[in-house]
Amino acid sequence: NAGVTQTPKFRVLKTGQSMTLLCAQDMNHEYMYWYRQDPGMGLRLIHYSVGEGTTAKGEVPDGYNVSRLKKQNFLLGLESAAPSQTSVYFCASSPEYSNQPQHFGDGTRLSIL
Amino acid sequence: AQKVTQAQTEISVVEKEDVTLDCVYETRDTTYYLFWYKQPPSGELVFLIRRNSFDEQNEISGRYSWNFQKSTSSFNFTITASQVVDSAVYFCALSEADSWGKFQFGAGTQVVVTP
Repeated sequence: NAGVTQTPKFRVLKTGQSMTLLCAQDMNHEYMYWYRQDPGMGLRLIHYSVGEGTTAKGEVPDGYNVSRLKKQNFLLGLESAAPSQTSVYFCASSPEYSNQPQHFGDGTRLSIL
Repeated sequence: AQKVTQAQTEISVVEKEDVTLDCVYETRDTTYYLFWYKQPPSGELVFLIRRNSFDEQNEISGRYSWNFQKSTSSFNFTITASQVVDSAVYFCALSEADSWGKFQFGAGTQVVVTP
């Protein structure tokens, strides 16, 4: 009964390093999302995908790239990490309708030094 | 553009008091969906309720109740007889019908319940 799984849970990077966050869902959901959560700002959408092989920009896409090669996986990449990308990152998935709640992973706490 | 406002940053109550969280939204769409999520100190996001724009019936679920009023664009959430386990951040979110399920979240309201 995994739902949405995010890997890793914690990570510390140095400025300029790159890394990839992995999100996997086992609910056969079409839609997947990446958010970042910062104090006092709620969750802001970085990128999203409405199906395998598709991606689109959200509210705050700069500095991030994504890929959805398989329906169950949604990867978020930071090519050159910056301190402003220090945040908690959440992945979510939902069925193919806007009226459905999103199911969230437990989050990845990322610190950029 | 859609927008969700949770004006209350933090609410502190003593156990057994009632607490109401405000959520005001903006949208030009006639069909949209509103959600409440809870984020306890452990950090995960827990779905609480969904309401459709064409269904203004208010709902009660145990100690939780929701008041949806289209006339004032509000979707408020009340916890009755609060308990320490209700301490969490609560988020209101809006999704429009043609938005590919994307959510616009409010900034969240921190609820602190003390014994």
